[in-house]
Amino acid sequence: QLQLQESGPGLVKPSETLSLTCTVSGGSISSSSYYWGWIRQPPGKGLEWIGNIYYTGNTYYNPSLKSRVTISVDTSKNQFSLKLSSVTAADTAVYYCARQVAGSRGWFDPWGQGTLVTVSS
Amino acid sequence: DIQMTQSPSSLSASVGDRVTITCRASQGISNYLAWYQQKPGKVPKLLIYAASTLQSGVPSRFSGSGSGTDFTLTISSLQPEDVATYYCQKYNSAPVTFGQGTKLEIK
Repeated sequence: QLQLQESGPGLVKPSETLSLTCTVSGGSISSSSYYWGWIRQPPGKGLEWIGNIYYTGNTYYNPSLKSRVTISVDTSKNQFSLKLSSVTAADTAVYYCARQVAGSRGWFDPWGQGTLVTVSS
Repeated sequence: DIQMTQSPSSLSASVGDRVTITCRASQGISNYLAWYQQKPGKVPKLLIYAASTLQSGVPSRFSGSGSGTDFTLTISSLQPEDVATYYCQKYNSAPVTFGQGTKLEIK
C-alpha cells in the first residue's frame, strides 16, 4: 500500500525558505505515469496546488507561486522535496504531498498526512 | 485560469436524505473532474475521478455526473459519517484548481 509522509520544520521565519520532504513508501517514485505533487491548505481555507515533479525531474508549477517554488526528486531515497522562498504569513498552511495520477494534470491519490507550517518570527 | 465554483458553500441535511453538490467550471473541461471528501481534521480523500468513476473502496451511495461545465456529486442516502467538506478539482489543463469547498452537516 503506497504511503506518503511529509517532514520538515513546523516554523519558518518571514523572508526565509520553507523546505519540506515527502518520503514515499510501499512503491517506487520512479513508477511511470505518476507525477508527485504538493498541495497546501491555509487554516480554515481551501486547497491550492503548488506544483509537481516526475521521477526524471520534469516539473510543473502553479503560475501564482512559480517564482518562489522549487521541487526536486531523489529517486535513490524515494523522496521528493519542496522549497518555497521568501515566505510570508500568507504561506502558513498545512502542506500535503500526494501522488498525481494520470499525468502532470491528474487527480491526487493517495495523500500524505500533511504537515502544518507556520510562518512567524 | 479556469475557475471552479461550488454550490452551495454549506448545507445541512438529515440522515437518509439525498444530497447534491454542484461544481461549475468557467470554461468547458470535458469530464476532467475529481471529487474529494475531507472530514474534519483529516486528509482529503479521493471519491470520484473522470467526473463519474467511483474510486475503489468508496461507498456506492456516492455518485458523480456531468460534463463540460456543470458537474454534480450526489449522496443517495446521507449517513452520519458523511459529515465533511467536499471539493471538486479540475484537471484538464494546468494549473489544476479546486473548488472552494462545500461543508456538509447533519441536521
